[in-house]
Amino acid sequence: DTGVSQDPRHKITKRGQNVTFRCDPISEHNRLYWYRQTLGQGPEFLTYFQNEAQLEKSRLLSDRFSAERPKGSFSTLEIQRTEQGDSAMYLCASSSRIKTSGLYNEQFFGPGTRLTVL
Amino acid sequence: EDQVTQSPEALRLQEGESSSLNCSYTVSGLRGLFWYRQDPGKGPEFLFTLYSAGEEKEKERLKATLTKKESFLHITAPKPEDSATYLCAVRTGANSKLTFGKGITLSVRP
Repeated sequence: DTGVSQDPRHKITKRGQNVTFRCDPISEHNRLYWYRQTLGQGPEFLTYFQNEAQLEKSRLLSDRFSAERPKGSFSTLEIQRTEQGDSAMYLCASSSRIKTSGLYNEQFFGPGTRLTVL
Repeated sequence: EDQVTQSPEALRLQEGESSSLNCSYTVSGLRGLFWYRQDPGKGPEFLFTLYSAGEEKEKERLKATLTKKESFLHITAPKPEDSATYLCAVRTGANSKLTFGKGITLSVRP
């Protein structure tokens, strides 16, 4: 399987606990994105990396959220002290650069991690 | 702030009944408009990218078009397997995030 993978697919936790999600992008995609999607809404941007550098973070990303991509390959998203409002689908996407233009291709999404905070 | 509005919120069609889904946008400096399909409980699946007004792309029963203010996803003779949520997104930074609409839930009855 050469697509974007995410682990776990489902996570149920109690309020106040910490959780960590992992994303493995398509190999050789140097850009990696995190989005959050709640029921009936489109995905909302959280943050993105180019290689290991975190280039942009949304205002949605509170201090309880942290993301890393230490070696420019897989990425982790950690949520500390989870709240019920954190319940959502967390989506990861990756993209590659178009050599001729320098722009980036479309983003390919993984299956998501469904988080439920009780 | 970039805004993307999709309409209608939901659409029910009979198999074979062609229709169009609308995506209107208000952005500064469009650098790509994207259509995705999303099945329940799954991640979005890429369909099309459009870059400039007048551009059109086709794939099987789907055809996407773009003007300066909106994009349409035309579905010709839909089948039940076309039932899904269709998401529209815009990119305005040089190489940055996507801003999505809420999506249109399409149901095709046999």
